[in-house]
Amino acid sequence: GESVGLHLPTLSVQEGDNSIINCAYSNSASDYFIWYKQESGKGPQFIIDIRSNMDKRQGQRVTVLLNKTVKHLSLQIAATQPGDSAVYFCAEKKASNTGKLIFGQGTTLQVKP
Amino acid sequence: EAQVTQNPRYLITVTGKKLTVTCSQNMNHEYMSWYRQDPGLGLRQIYYSMNVEVTDKGDVPEGYKVSRKEKRNFPLILESPSPNQTSLYFCASSGHRDKKLLYGYTFGSGTRLTVV
Repeated sequence: GESVGLHLPTLSVQEGDNSIINCAYSNSASDYFIWYKQESGKGPQFIIDIRSNMDKRQGQRVTVLLNKTVKHLSLQIAATQPGDSAVYFCAEKKASNTGKLIFGQGTTLQVKP
Repeated sequence: EAQVTQNPRYLITVTGKKLTVTCSQNMNHEYMSWYRQDPGLGLRQIYYSMNVEVTDKGDVPEGYKVSRKEKRNFPLILESPSPNQTSLYFCASSGHRDKKLLYGYTFGSGTRLTVV
C-alpha cells in the first residue's frame, strides 16, 4: 500500500505487505530529514534519518528514499506487522546552520491482520 | 536507562499564572528542543538549543521562554499562560552519530497542559 503526499491521512495495508508512506517537503535548502513513528498516547519515536547528500538509507525493515529534484521523501516498511500501526510523520531541518525542524502532518498506518 | 524526562505529565492551570515545565536528559546530548502538538496542526517547534547557553526560536516561540544553563536541563517557561497554549508538549534531545549532530532523536513522554 502507498500514501500520496500529505493529503491521504490514512494508509491501510495487509499484514505482511510492504508499506510506502510519502512526504513532500517544502524547502530546497533543507539538509536533513527524519521519519518518526507515534503510537497513541506516546511521544514520537525516531525511526530513521537521511542527510541531503544521500538518496537512500536502510535500517531494519525500513528504507528512506530522498528525491531532492521533486522535494519528496518516502518511508518504506517491509513485511508490515500489526505493531507497525501508528501515525508516521516526516520532519525536515531547514538549513545547515540551524537546528530548526519542520514537521509534516502525518499518515496513519493501519495494518489489517 | 537513557531517557528524556519531562515533568509534570499533566498540568491544569489558570490564565496568567507563571509555570515551568522541566526537561532533563541523561545522555550528555548537546541538542535539545521543545515542541507542541495540536490536533490538525501536528508538531511544531517552539525553541531549540544547540548547546549550553545557546538557544534559538523555532516556529512558534511567542509566549514561551527557555534557558540552557547546564547541558542536561532545558526548562520551558510560560510567563503568563493563555488558553491558546493548551496543548501537548514534548521535549527532545540528540547527540552525535559518526561525529555529526543529530536532531530530534529521543523524545520525552509529553506534558499535557490545560490553561483555563
